[in-house]
Amino acid sequence: NAGVTQTPKFQVLKTGQSMTLQCAQDMNHEYMSWYRQDPGMGLRLIHYSVGAGITDQGEVPNGYNVSRSTTEDFPLRLLSAAPSQTSVYFCASSYRGQAGELFFGEGSRLTVL
Amino acid sequence: AQKVTQAQTEISVVEKEDVTLDCVYETRDTTYYLFWYKQPPSGELVFLIRRNSFDEQNEISGRYSWNFQKSTSSFNFTITASQVVDSAVYFCALRRRGQNFVFGPGTRLSVLP
Repeated sequence: NAGVTQTPKFQVLKTGQSMTLQCAQDMNHEYMSWYRQDPGMGLRLIHYSVGAGITDQGEVPNGYNVSRSTTEDFPLRLLSAAPSQTSVYFCASSYRGQAGELFFGEGSRLTVL
Repeated sequence: AQKVTQAQTEISVVEKEDVTLDCVYETRDTTYYLFWYKQPPSGELVFLIRRNSFDEQNEISGRYSWNFQKSTSSFNFTITASQVVDSAVYFCALRRRGQNFVFGPGTRLSVLP
């Protein structure tokens, strides 16, 4: 099984550009989420989804957009990149039940110049 | 409010020493799950353990052990006879009823040869 697949692994953007981070999982998980990781800040939740057609904001949603048209895919869109969005992004999924652990993708390192 | 605190930002030990990573959490929920994840220098996030709020038994897995104490809202992680391969950032996390995870800021462990 591929698990959680994120692309691209690395990306450099100029301020104001837009891009989409792709995330796909093949475990039939209802719950999917996006985190950003910055030094000393741990993992902060950007957006999450509990099923196809349902999304909601996390702790730091500004500047990001998501959609969930299928169970498998949960892309994260940066609408107009800013240097403050330079970070490592992780997509993660789990079963919906409270006991399910998160399965993480390998991460995407984004640099905004 | 839900919160996870890992007061130790960085710990450095010499190989074969025992080391304990502290995790203190806050939640008003009576049902919740606690997790530990490891992030080695390669960057991926690896699930280590899950513990539910009704099970206060300590758990041992090889050189790893976990001590869950509801009375002090703590879920500490001990590595016995540490090895260089244990060098990583370790995250404690709380999964609350609303299904989102709350992560602590992480503890960077360096095991020196």
